[in-house]
Amino acid sequence: TQLLEQSPQFLSIQEGENLTVYCNSSSVFSSLQWYRQEPGEGPVLLVTVVTGGEVKKLKRLTFQFGDARKDSSLHITAAQPGDTGLYLCAPGDNAGNMLTFGGGTRLMVKP
Amino acid sequence: DTGVSQDPRHKITKRGQNVTFRCDPISEHNRLYWYRQTLGQGPEFLTYFQNEAQLEKSRLLSDRFSAERPKGSFSTLEIQRTEQGDSAMYLCASSLSVRGVHLNYGYTFGSGTRLTVV
Repeated sequence: TQLLEQSPQFLSIQEGENLTVYCNSSSVFSSLQWYRQEPGEGPVLLVTVVTGGEVKKLKRLTFQFGDARKDSSLHITAAQPGDTGLYLCAPGDNAGNMLTFGGGTRLMVKP
Repeated sequence: DTGVSQDPRHKITKRGQNVTFRCDPISEHNRLYWYRQTLGQGPEFLTYFQNEAQLEKSRLLSDRFSAERPKGSFSTLEIQRTEQGDSAMYLCASSLSVRGVHLNYGYTFGSGTRLTVV
């Protein structure tokens, strides 16, 4: 079982602020996925990172995969209330057997 | 295709009753997964199917839980003799695997069934 630690667990910020959340493990991953989950809904895939050191941008969201493929970060620029939700990371599994999620970072962006 | 559908969205039941949830995956997806999520936690894997075959079960899936996918399309998850600790969101997801290789576009989740055992 791969142990994933996400930090911080909770984050409450004002609209317009920047933030970074982290996903760390002692295991090496072939890829890693980030999901966002809004209250009362299922997680929605944001991005998959595959190559060590890879950086992917999705509008105001920047995802980075660590060089050693053991960790990842998500940076949000100029956060908006619509960014509020639970951000989850999970290592990709080429065999597609299952996802093992971290505990998530619960983000609240106040207007 | 409207994505992954789960029914019901909410279920309140008395302790000791049996409940059954249904999941309709994306039609061309051959893999189907069940997860459980309690408040403030990430989803935890319960079981998954490739077509109609149940390939893996978590130790979280006690003998009161049973899942089926009889025709390789929709799936049901039944909980017998419910306990208050079963209260959670039950999520279903589907994905596509071709010749044993998972197309790593991610998993598509349904909106979940929120179970409350009183």
